[in-house]
Amino acid sequence: EADIYQTPRYLVIGTGKKITLECSQTMGHDKMYWYQQDPGMELHLIHYSYGVNSTEKGDLSSESTVSRIRTEHFPLTLESARPSHTSQYLCASSESGTSPMYFGPGTRLTVL
Amino acid sequence: GNSVTQMEGPVTLSEEAFLTINCTYTATGYPSLFWYVQYPGEGLQLLLKATKADDKGSNKGFEATYRKETTSFHLEKGSVQVSDSAVYFCALSDGATNKLIFGTGTLLAVQP
Repeated sequence: EADIYQTPRYLVIGTGKKITLECSQTMGHDKMYWYQQDPGMELHLIHYSYGVNSTEKGDLSSESTVSRIRTEHFPLTLESARPSHTSQYLCASSESGTSPMYFGPGTRLTVL
Repeated sequence: GNSVTQMEGPVTLSEEAFLTINCTYTATGYPSLFWYVQYPGEGLQLLLKATKADDKGSNKGFEATYRKETTSFHLEKGSVQVSDSAVYFCALSDGATNKLIFGTGTLLAVQP
C-alpha cells in the first residue's frame, strides 16, 4: 500500500484565485512528480523533483509552480487560476527513475 | 526517443471474457515495463511489472510478458469481471531521463 496523499480531493474556485494543491508521501522517496490528466485520460508530466531544492519543468508547459523544501512534501501552486486549468492533477513519487511510481488519489480542480 | 503505444479503447467485454490490451514500445537499452490501472475517481495503481526480457509480471489474474523480440508487453486476463472496469496504462522506464513514459491509456468496460 502506497502512502502518498493529496489534498484537497476536489476543488471548485473562481477565476483569478491563488491555489495550492498539497502532496505528501511517507515513503522517503527522493523523486516526486506532478501530472495533469485531461478528460481523454492521457497523462502529461508538468513538474518533477529529484530531491530537496530540486525542481524541473516537465514535458507539458504549465503556468503552475512547485517547491521542494522537504523530502516528503511537493506542493503545486497556481498564482491566478483560469478555466483552462480545469483538470485532474496527480502527484506521484518513486525511489528511483526506473522504479515503480506510486500515485496519490488526485485532485480534481474546476475553475469557473 | 523512447515511446509507448497501446491500443485505443474503449474495450467493451462481457463478464468472463478473455482480455488482451496490446502495448508495444520503442526504447534503447533495457527498460523496465509496467502496467498501471486507474479505477474511476482514483489515482493510478501499479498492477504489474517486468524488469527484463522474458519476465512475466502477474497480479490479480492479470499477466504480461516482456517480449524483446517483438518489443511488446501485452496485458491479458483469462476471465474479466465487472470490477475490472478501469483505465489501463502501459509504461516504460526511460533510463536516459530517469522518468516513466506512459501510453495514452485504454478504457476497459466489462458488462454483466
